[in-house]
Amino acid sequence: GAVVSQHPSRVICKSGTSVKIECRSLDFQATTMFWYRQFPKQSLMLMATSNEGSKATYEQGVEKDKFLINHASLTLSTLTVTSAHPEDSSFYICSAATGEDEKLFFGSGTQLSVL
Amino acid sequence: LAKTTQPISMDSYEGQEVNITCSHNNIATNDYITWYQQFPSQGPRFIIQGYKTKVTNEVASLFIPADRKSSTLSLPRVSLSDTAVYYCLVGDTGRRALTFGSGTRLQVQP
Repeated sequence: GAVVSQHPSRVICKSGTSVKIECRSLDFQATTMFWYRQFPKQSLMLMATSNEGSKATYEQGVEKDKFLINHASLTLSTLTVTSAHPEDSSFYICSAATGEDEKLFFGSGTQLSVL
Repeated sequence: LAKTTQPISMDSYEGQEVNITCSHNNIATNDYITWYQQFPSQGPRFIIQGYKTKVTNEVASLFIPADRKSSTLSLPRVSLSDTAVYYCLVGDTGRRALTFGSGTRLQVQP
């Protein structure tokens, strides 16, 4: 199936710093990508929808100034966690749909730990 | 978005067939049914997708009755490596994000 690449797989940062997570569609173009967040033993929660060339759409309760999303090309979306705090520690996962059959594929996830 | 209901957990033994049923009573006409598998600290992995009747691939089968208000994922002859969380999602994938329910935690015993 289609491949969605996500980097880094794990990141540890100090409180107050910013962290950027990249999501790439390797063998297809994705006009829309989705960012999810997952806490231990819980299901995935949609954070935002990333649209190429336009502003992201955030779910209710997700701070757009804290979780900056940039979708500069048809194969790359980035999520930047700004001024990270320990409560932002979580597993972040991106996803994208292929053009032809519109199946949704997911990246391998990024484990963020804020000290 | 259609809400899904699945059993929270299931137990099985190696070599058995496992059937996980998902209810989605308010599925829309344009919605597909997609199942994903997730291991700890990994992103969900696509298993199978269907619209109606039966779909089969190399790893699973998906049974969808005529009213499409439920679906059953069938895993033939499970192994220990099939221990994971399985999610049933309903939506017109690609156009809108899919909403994850609680999933079914499958534990396969030797």
